[in-house]
Amino acid sequence: QVQLQESGPGLVQPSGTLSLTCAVSGDSISSSNWWSWIRQPPGKGLEWIGEIFHSGTTYDNPSLKSRVTVSVDKSKNQISLKLKSVTAADTAVYYCARKALLTIGGVFQTPFDYWGQGIQVTVSS
Amino acid sequence: EKVMTQSPATLSVSPGDRATLSCRASQSVSSNLAWYQQKPGQAPRLLIYGASTRATGIPARFSGSGSGTEFTLTISSLQSEDYAIYYCQQYNNRPPWTFGQGTKVEMK
Repeated sequence: QVQLQESGPGLVQPSGTLSLTCAVSGDSISSSNWWSWIRQPPGKGLEWIGEIFHSGTTYDNPSLKSRVTVSVDKSKNQISLKLKSVTAADTAVYYCARKALLTIGGVFQTPFDYWGQGIQVTVSS
Repeated sequence: EKVMTQSPATLSVSPGDRATLSCRASQSVSSNLAWYQQKPGQAPRLLIYGASTRATGIPARFSGSGSGTEFTLTISSLQSEDYAIYYCQQYNNRPPWTFGQGTKVEMK
């Protein structure tokens, strides 16, 4: 069974850097899957932050204006997120998730099939 | 960026009744559409992918349809454990992957 577990500080100072780690078990970070970060502000919907492949290739959401760094540590089977210059608007539950690699009629499908439990991060002084 | 719009925002349904949720994409996403269920304090759970394929372990009362820009999630006979918020999400072509704002299914 694939399991993901987020960890990191629950409180970050405004203008500081949010740093989180996602430990993966039951699957290898070096598999054919992409690994993502997704967040959910209080009482709001889901926002995709960014993703990484084990090769180190990354994509991030342009709405976050290049504040995002996603990295991978294959030796520890984990991924990490850094979000710099945070404000109160970055207060949210942060999830890591695996993008599946499924096929329907030979066509690849890549929904998010496994999620961590989420970690609450509050930006406040 | 592909904008996903869900309707209604809130759906009041009695146990045993049918629930029909809609999701519209601002441009075609083909069949690269997933539905998730989220309960309070929990992570989202994958229900449907490829617009109409149930994920492993998802009951048959959940069904999805549509392609292009118009999609529907139907819960044929609502059970007590189905009261939750439902999100659609597109994963077509290239990032950013985007979610709808959610539909809350509440007890009538």
